[in-house]
Order: sequence, then C-alpha cells, then structure tokens
Amino acid sequence: TQLLEQSPQFLSIQEGENLTVYCNSSSVFSSLQWYRQEPGEGPVLLVTVVTGGEVKKLKRLTFQFGDARKDSSLHITAAQPGDTGLYLCAGPRGTGANNLFFGTGTRLTVIP
Amino acid sequence: EAQVTQNPRYLITVTGKKLTVTCSQNMNHEYMSWYRQDPGLGLRQIYYSMNVEVTDKGDVPEGYKVSRKEKRNFPLILESPSPNQTSLYFCASSLRQGGPTGELFFGEGSRLTVL
Repeated sequence: TQLLEQSPQFLSIQEGENLTVYCNSSSVFSSLQWYRQEPGEGPVLLVTVVTGGEVKKLKRLTFQFGDARKDSSLHITAAQPGDTGLYLCAGPRGTGANNLFFGTGTRLTVIP
Repeated sequence: EAQVTQNPRYLITVTGKKLTVTCSQNMNHEYMSWYRQDPGLGLRQIYYSMNVEVTDKGDVPEGYKVSRKEKRNFPLILESPSPNQTSLYFCASSLRQGGPTGELFFGEGSRLTVL
C-alpha cells in the first residue's frame, strides 16, 4: 500500500523565519507533486518533481526530490503571511499518472 | 475561465435523504475524480474516471455512486447519506497524458453535513 507521510503535521512560525516540511514514503514514485490549499479553496499545484535528486525553485520555495524518489522536501525561505496554508504532497497511483494519492498535509501558519 | 465547478458549496441534510453533488469542468479533461477531506486524514479518493463511461473505485467508495455520461460532468451521488459522510468534498480534473503526472485542477469544495 502506498503511503505518503508528511511532517510536521502543524507548523506555526514568525514572519521571516525559514522552514522545511517533509514528505516521505517507503514506495518509489515516478514523480511527486506539491499542492497548497488555502482556507475555503481547493488545492493548487505548486510544482512537479520527476528526476531523483531534482531541485526546483519557485521564488522563496525550494522543492527537492530524493535521490531514491521515495521522499521530497519543501523549504520556504523568509516565510510570509501569504504562505499560510495546507501543503500537500501527492504521487501517482499505479492505476495511472493522473490518479493521485495524497499525503495528510502540513498546516503552516505564518504569524505577522 | 478554466475551472471546475461544484454545487452545492454547502449542504445540510438528514440521514437517508438522497443527494447529488454536481461537478462540471470546462477544460475538456478526460480524467475526473472525487475526494473527501477530513481532519487528520487528508484527501482520500472516493471514485475516479479516466474517460466517459469509465469509472473506478478509489480508497473510500462505500456509500457513494458516480456516473460519467458526458466528458464535462462527474456527479457524486449519496443514495442514503449517513453522519459519517459529513465531510468536505472536492472534485478534480486533469488532462490525461502519459509521462510525468499532469496538473490536477480542483473545485472549491462542497461542505456536506449529514444530521
């Protein structure tokens, strides 16, 4: 059974601090995605990582895919209140590349 | 505007009263899916559809039905709702493709309460 474990489950930090959240699995994934969900809305895709060891940057967000393609991390530099939200990692099921399995999420609160 | 539209956004109902949550996408996507989101459990897949007339169970299909008669619509049917189906429901769609996972587009969610 595929399982994506995210840590920490909750994170509350001050504006300007750095943070890292993790997505771990015992299974190998062909790719992993990160989504952000804001209150009252559906998740929105941030990034897709495909190659083991890959690093992608999106402004202050840095995403890394583990060498063995079993884990991923999201690092936020100088967090802003606008970064507040639920961060979800997701990977494809064996039934199709578009059929995603989601982690339980990290709920981030950035305090002004 | 490209979007996934769910209705209703909020619903309070009683046990046993059949209801349908509609989902429509205007992006000509082949793939559509329903998820429920519960505290501490994340997004769990209920049903998915790879194309018209092709549907399959996800992780938590019990108590739900779906149909895919048209490409753009993927309604979720609760024939006899029970309190344990109180949840936040999301419909999502994606362009079916080979290779790396494509982007999943989500609706805004439907909050259902079953009394």
